[in-house]
Amino acid sequence: ILNVEQSPQSLHVQEGDSTNFTCSFPSSNFYALHWYRWETAKSPEALFVMTLNGDEKKKGRISATLNTKEGYSYLYIKGSQPEDSATYLCARGYQKVTFGTGTKLQVIP
Amino acid sequence: NAGVTQTPKFRVLKTGQSMTLLCAQDMNHEYMYWYRQDPGMGLRLIHYSVGEGTTAKGEVPDGYNVSRLKKQNFLLGLESAAPSQTSVYFCASSADTYGYTFGSGTRLTVV
Repeated sequence: ILNVEQSPQSLHVQEGDSTNFTCSFPSSNFYALHWYRWETAKSPEALFVMTLNGDEKKKGRISATLNTKEGYSYLYIKGSQPEDSATYLCARGYQKVTFGTGTKLQVIP
Repeated sequence: NAGVTQTPKFRVLKTGQSMTLLCAQDMNHEYMYWYRQDPGMGLRLIHYSVGEGTTAKGEVPDGYNVSRLKKQNFLLGLESAAPSQTSVYFCASSADTYGYTFGSGTRLTVV
């Protein structure tokens, strides 16, 4: 992995479903992994910053895990709601942070 | 608490014109960044600053200059705008690794 890659590119889920996305990144020279939520017509909003292998963070129904040795992070949303519809970005690094292209989530009522 | 404020929000330039985008933050953050966002490309770092008086190149610095004369302000300049610089520009600031706070963006069109 040379860059930050996110999958899937887009996702449609029914309200109440749980879902998860993947962020893959180069495992060498790791410093930090960020997750952002980006709603249409707004600016990205920080969800989590993780620095240690095995880190787990939680904010309400959203949680994230980090594996720095294999170079991936998962973002989980439990019981998706329409207001969770957004693009979720991950980013790797410190100062010169590299962003992925995001996973666009649409939650269908 | 205003956070990060970008001005202007929209601008149309003719090829060859110059302009300056202003980013101001009121959180006393040391680090400030300028990104551009293009369809399918994600956010790409143009220039960044790790403190007052410092600047450094990011991933796509060509055609842009920056200055950080005051800690709270980070200016992005286009000396001679080109159509390839049509984009949405985001400024962000951070304190160490606590995540970025983004401005609301500037939509620039170069015709």
